[in-house]
Amino acid sequence: SQQGEEDPQALSIQEGENATMNCSYKTSINNLQWYRQNSGRGLVHLILIRSNEREKHSGRLRVTLDTSKKSSSLLITASRAADTASYFCATDRGYGGATNKLIFGTGTLLAVQP
Amino acid sequence: DAGVIQSPRHEVTEMGQEVTLRCKPISGHDYLFWYRQTMMRGLELLIYFNNNVPIDDSGMPEDRFSAKMPNASFSTLKIQPSEPRDSAVYFCASSTTPYNSPLHFGNGTRLTVT
Repeated sequence: SQQGEEDPQALSIQEGENATMNCSYKTSINNLQWYRQNSGRGLVHLILIRSNEREKHSGRLRVTLDTSKKSSSLLITASRAADTASYFCATDRGYGGATNKLIFGTGTLLAVQP
Repeated sequence: DAGVIQSPRHEVTEMGQEVTLRCKPISGHDYLFWYRQTMMRGLELLIYFNNNVPIDDSGMPEDRFSAKMPNASFSTLKIQPSEPRDSAVYFCASSTTPYNSPLHFGNGTRLTVT
């Protein structure tokens, strides 16, 4: 079952611009994670943010979490062509409230034009 | 560390044949996960193990699917008999916790059943 829904489904920007992707979920969570997937490769972990945190940074990445709105956003600043990939959010609680596994959203396909 | 290693990278087989996918997790990771990715259904968790014991196999689609983890460094996902609708990319991932830490993914096995 899907928990997170990313928005938009696809995003195309120019190199140097910022890219913002959003993730909404339905049930309360303990943490939320963001992953990147390059074409033909496995997912790579980017950031984990816990439910008591509001914002985390890692290099050019900034993640926010709003538990009252059940949403998270991933901001990539000064994008590069190498950032072209699919981005997924994942939460630790699926429908029904069971907290025992990571459920991935549908993903945002980001294309950064050089 | 070499990361999570999956084999084969590509598998093409005919309907009705048995397929075995293999995974070597990162040493020291107690959790191993099998995911399936398709365009239609996204990334689905099939089964996960803790210390070689299957914990949650609720995502395994049918009895045709089986997974084993005979030791801490090896797991298999078997499909017998295979069907065209099983065509997907199958990922193995490992972690130190089921959801509170990053998952480390292999590069997947692309399965095509004709």
